[in-house]
Amino acid sequence: DQQVKQNSPSLSVQEGRISILNCDYTNSMFDYFLWYKKYPAEGPTFLISISSIKDKNEDGRFTVFLNKSAKHLSLHIVPSQPGDSAVYFCAANSGYALNFGKGTSLLVTP
Amino acid sequence: DAGVIQSPRHEVTEMGQEVTLRCKPISGHNSLFWYRQTMMRGLELLIYFNNNVPIDDSGMPEDRFSAKMPNASFSTLKIQPSEPRDSAVYFCASSLLGGAPDTQYFGPGTRLTVL
Repeated sequence: DQQVKQNSPSLSVQEGRISILNCDYTNSMFDYFLWYKKYPAEGPTFLISISSIKDKNEDGRFTVFLNKSAKHLSLHIVPSQPGDSAVYFCAANSGYALNFGKGTSLLVTP
Repeated sequence: DAGVIQSPRHEVTEMGQEVTLRCKPISGHNSLFWYRQTMMRGLELLIYFNNNVPIDDSGMPEDRFSAKMPNASFSTLKIQPSEPRDSAVYFCASSLLGGAPDTQYFGPGTRLTVL
């Protein structure tokens, strides 16, 4: 049973605009959330994370928002760049285990 | 640091053959994870080692799969006998401690094709 869901398999955004990637989870015991970015033929690389005690974390062009009551988090990329084109995985952590969503493929067009 | 190293990067084998995937974690990391990525199930955890000891192997699909970590710098995932449904990308990841807010660092993966 998928405890972390990314309902949009793909997203296309113009360069310079905002990209918003969404993620929903079902397990209220998750205490830490992460976003990973994956290029073809490479492993996922860590992008940004947020603790369940916070509702926002920002790192440069990347911001993650957490809405615990809705069990929803989102990743905002502003401004989007062509190099951001990749698959983005949302993950939720409880203890050592990372539960991953199936990913959203982001395409940033010039 | 070289990051997590996996070999081979690609493996093509025939049904019934034994397959061994290898992983070298980042030096100093105490935790090692094996994941499998398929279209149907996404990224799923197969097994977790902490200080070379298997802690959770509940994700290992069946007895055909086995994993070992003989020392802190090497782990193997073995499939014997392999089946076409084992075709997937297998990732190894390591982390410093193993629990949140620890970050897991992934290797480039091994793409396994079983004919």
